[in-house]
Amino acid sequence: DIQMTQSPSSLSASVGDRVTITCRAGQGIGNSLAWYQRKPGKAPKLLLYAASRLQSGVPSRFSGSGSGTDYTLTISSLQPEDFATYYCQQYHITPPTFGQGTKVEIK
Amino acid sequence: QVQLVESGGGVVQPGRSLRLSCAASGFTFSNYGMHWVRQAPGKNLEWVAVIWYDGSYDGRNKYYADSVKGRFTISRDNSKNTLYLQMNSLRAEDTAVYYCARDTMVRGIINNWFDPWGQGTLVTVSS
Repeated sequence: DIQMTQSPSSLSASVGDRVTITCRAGQGIGNSLAWYQRKPGKAPKLLLYAASRLQSGVPSRFSGSGSGTDYTLTISSLQPEDFATYYCQQYHITPPTFGQGTKVEIK
Repeated sequence: QVQLVESGGGVVQPGRSLRLSCAASGFTFSNYGMHWVRQAPGKNLEWVAVIWYDGSYDGRNKYYADSVKGRFTISRDNSKNTLYLQMNSLRAEDTAVYYCARDTMVRGIINNWFDPWGQGTLVTVSS
């Protein structure tokens, strides 16, 4: 199985801040990477797929980049509704595997 | 509105069985592969199983994580727009919130990324 490692595991930020979350795969995954947002008690929500493609309806302040083994999720200007936990997931090889999550908290 | 609603979770003793259901609405259920994903307390999200939309790939249409293979069975009833997970020989380490999720490929090879997800149902395996 491909191990996915996210960093940091948590961060504190203020509204308006630029936030960056990193995801590293145990081997190259060819941009087969998705990012999800999860709020307490809610269903996880797809934000991006193919490393950088924004899912329909997701605000443009979310963006993704990367290649090979290293990927990044960026929130350009953090909004109150963005405080949540974010997960990366590779789908290059079955089984699909997830990062451990990054909790974004209010500073 | 595309929606997935899980049910069937609860407290069960080790070694017993439980069946989870996932009711789908707002889309043509039979056109999509469907997955179960779980998250144990304090642990990472773990993919559990997938069932193809209708047809099969290389003669098989169901795949499982090694951790549940031989104990769990994924199935679907397209006439009822419902996905199931039959869980047998349950263990303490199966305690988790179980999510159903739709694959993103329409009538094709599974993409293995998920949209949307349900809100989950909690399964607790304890004596």
